[in-house]
Amino acid sequence: EVRLVESGGGLVQPGRSLRLSCTASGFKFDDYTMHWVRQAPGKGLEWVSCLSWNNGLIAYAGSVKGRFTISRDNARRSLYLQMNSLRPEDTALYYCARGTYSGDDSLDYWGQGTLVTVSS
Amino acid sequence: DIQVTQSPSFLSASVGDRVTITCRAGQGISTYLAWYQQKPGKAPKLLIYGASTLQSGVPSRFSGRGSGTEFTLTISSLQPEDFSTYYCQQLNAYPYTFGQGTKLEIK
Repeated sequence: EVRLVESGGGLVQPGRSLRLSCTASGFKFDDYTMHWVRQAPGKGLEWVSCLSWNNGLIAYAGSVKGRFTISRDNARRSLYLQMNSLRPEDTALYYCARGTYSGDDSLDYWGQGTLVTVSS
Repeated sequence: DIQVTQSPSFLSASVGDRVTITCRAGQGISTYLAWYQQKPGKAPKLLIYGASTLQSGVPSRFSGRGSGTEFTLTISSLQPEDFSTYYCQQLNAYPYTFGQGTKLEIK
């Protein structure tokens, strides 16, 4: 069974940093591009970032570029999101998701999310 | 960035109805479009990818069509469990952008 479990969320002051983790199981992690998607309370989905299996392709949404860094450790089957210079508008539930192995990279499995609240 | 516009934002319908949700991309994206369903308090679920390919395990009452800039998600006969929020996402170019969502409610 494919499983993605996010952790690392919490309450943080504006300007501070936080590192999210996503641990994968049930599939060959190092075959897949992995993504972060966020959802502000009561709002829609916002794609944040992705990283290919071999670190060869990295992409970010404009709203986080230069502040967030995505990384992965295939040996640990883990995906990370280092979030620096956090802003109140970064408050959201952060989901880790797997890109499909073949085809268009649509997100076929999602974790349950970890909540990040940026507030003083 | 490629803008993705969904319509309507809200849709009220009854069990057994046929409904269609539209997604328009700001530029041509071939068939690089996916549809997701999200229930309250849950993670999104992939329904359709490649604009028209049903994800494994998704009921056949869901269908997707379109290419280029205009896409549709149709539910042929609404079931009680279908009342949710639906999102489209373009996967043609980074950043991958979502539509703003369509909340499907029971009439």
